[in-house]
Amino acid sequence: GAVVSQHPSRVICKSGTSVKIECRSLDFQATTMFWYRQFPKQSLMLMATSNEGSKATYEQGVEKDKFLINHASLTLSTLTVTSAHPEDSSFYICSAPGTGVSGELFFGEGSRLTVL
Amino acid sequence: RKEVEQDPGPFNVPEGATVAFNCTYSNSASQSFFWYRQDCRKEPKLLMSVYSSGNEDGRFTAQLNRASQYISLLIRDSKLSDSATYLCVVLGGSNYKLTFGKGTLLTVNP
Repeated sequence: GAVVSQHPSRVICKSGTSVKIECRSLDFQATTMFWYRQFPKQSLMLMATSNEGSKATYEQGVEKDKFLINHASLTLSTLTVTSAHPEDSSFYICSAPGTGVSGELFFGEGSRLTVL
Repeated sequence: RKEVEQDPGPFNVPEGATVAFNCTYSNSASQSFFWYRQDCRKEPKLLMSVYSSGNEDGRFTAQLNRASQYISLLIRDSKLSDSATYLCVVLGGSNYKLTFGKGTLLTVNP
């Protein structure tokens, strides 16, 4: 099946720094990728939809200047958390739609961000 | 009413037990329905799609009741490896977005 790789899996940073998370589709092209955030014991919340060659679409309440998304190629999308604060600590997961079952998403392994 | 609502559990059952999870959704225009499985600190993975006629995959049976806006997942003969969080997922109406429930935690005990 399709594979999505996400890096880094864990990152610890100081408050005020920026962190970049990469999401790659390894054996297929993804014109669209989704970025989710999941707090402990909470559901996955869609943050934004990343579109290759155009601007990302952000969900209501998600600051686009804080969470910078770049979809530079058909296999790579990046999420940069700028000026991170402790409340940004969370599990960030990217996903890409498969070409088979409608609605099936292939998820990256996730990135656990801890901001000190 | 939340978009997708699940009983959070946790469910603790012995091996071999039958367990059922329920899920309700608020958007009557929702088009497709899924159950995903998420292991602790891991990414979600598709378990099965849910069809109006109901569908079965081995020990797993999924059912959809559009009139009641209700989805269920039945696991028979539980295995230790079934321990995970089960996420009810709905592909909604006009926005074609997947909405995830909070998940139901299942622990199967030896």
